[in-house]
Amino acid sequence: SAVISQKPSRDICQRGTSLTIQCQVDSQVTMMFWYRQQPGQSLTLIATANQGSEATYESGFVIDKFPISRPNLTFSTLTVSNMSPEDSSIYLCSVDSGGYEQYFGPGTRLTVT
Amino acid sequence: AQSVTQLDSHVSVSEGTPVLLRCNYSSSYSPSLFWYVQHPNKGLQLLLKYTSAATLVKGINGFEAEFKKSETSFHLTKPSAHMSDAAEYFCVVSDLDSGNTPLVFGKGTRLSVIA
Repeated sequence: SAVISQKPSRDICQRGTSLTIQCQVDSQVTMMFWYRQQPGQSLTLIATANQGSEATYESGFVIDKFPISRPNLTFSTLTVSNMSPEDSSIYLCSVDSGGYEQYFGPGTRLTVT
Repeated sequence: AQSVTQLDSHVSVSEGTPVLLRCNYSSSYSPSLFWYVQHPNKGLQLLLKYTSAATLVKGINGFEAEFKKSETSFHLTKPSAHMSDAAEYFCVVSDLDSGNTPLVFGKGTRLSVIA
């Protein structure tokens, strides 16, 4: 299974600012995914990121708010832009295992004040 | 479009008694089904998966689940609960034939284990 790390593990940010979350995988993967888990809620897919192409966003999520980079096969970033308290969530990245399931990073706990 | 319904938001059992977490799914294609567990302040861990092979799937930590197509169910069971099983459990569906692998999560079931 893939080992996934995320930075930062948690952060407290002021409204109106932006935070970039990094996701690093210990092996090359084709597809990486970004999820949001709002307090007490389940996971919602934000976007799918393939290396060398634009990320594909799910309904309700837009590139201006959540820009994603995927510069190579082991790394991706998600930026949460112009933050508001409603953006307080856990943000998780995951990778396709090649066997239908996904492996998840430990998550980034974001609090916006 | 696929969807998942976890029938209980919270289940409480005594240590040593059986665990049953219920999940029903809806899928247009041949589904892959998963159970993930999330312990407090920790990441998601895959418990088990069904991908069109044996309908009774065994996972880690003594958990198992049975795929029942006629009932569109994929309930998670364990014969004897342990205190360390207390966590949030997510039933997840993905379509095998849809050409990509987005996961659709259920709302989660919080399992409490009472000593």
